[in-house]
Amino acid sequence: AQSVSQHNHHVILSEAASLELGCNYSYGGTVNLFWYVQYPGQHLQLLLKYFSGDPLVKGIKGFEAEFIKSKFSFNLRKPSVQWSDTAEYFCAVGPRGTGNQFYFGTGTSLTVIP
Amino acid sequence: EAGVVQSPRYKIIEKKQPVAFWCNPISGHNTLYWYLQNLGQGPELLIRYENEEAVDDSQLPKDRFSAERLKGVDSTLKIQPAELGDSAVYLCASSPLSLAGGNTGELFFGEGSRLTVL
Repeated sequence: AQSVSQHNHHVILSEAASLELGCNYSYGGTVNLFWYVQYPGQHLQLLLKYFSGDPLVKGIKGFEAEFIKSKFSFNLRKPSVQWSDTAEYFCAVGPRGTGNQFYFGTGTSLTVIP
Repeated sequence: EAGVVQSPRYKIIEKKQPVAFWCNPISGHNTLYWYLQNLGQGPELLIRYENEEAVDDSQLPKDRFSAERLKGVDSTLKIQPAELGDSAVYLCASSPLSLAGGNTGELFFGEGSRLTVL
């Protein structure tokens, strides 16, 4: 069965610290990969996505993620976090050839301290 | 462009009562999803529609949950009767047309309907 693992459940950082959130998936075929973010009181929204090509993808607000196929990973990074990055972050996988299916990780709660 | 609209935003009911949630997806999005999100967890799929057809309802507890999307546009999710364990956020999302079985990209979420069962 497909699964998405996010290793960090709660992360607390000071402003300007670097961020890396881990995401690993279990799926034998080709996948599209996503990071979604949910700011306090808001709906889930797309942060970035990877379909093909350059495995280093850049998203909104200075976030980036790197797809490492051999490790089945899609880790999210940001060099310098801001207080406004406080949110829940969800990794998601969309297996190709299965229609519009998406599988989500359990999420990581990020708190940035000013 | 209007986003995915859900109602009600909040609902408090007593156990064994029925409850219904409504979702209007983004215009032109043929795929509609209902997800369940428990506190501290990621969204879990309940049912996925392609137009008016439920193409994946394997995770929908059919003894008490039902859903419909009669005209391939808006959708309702019903729980009858509700149980304490149904307290959660019910998320609706939509996505554009799936071409040749491919995954087309991002989901667009509504703000969710938070259910509390007492």
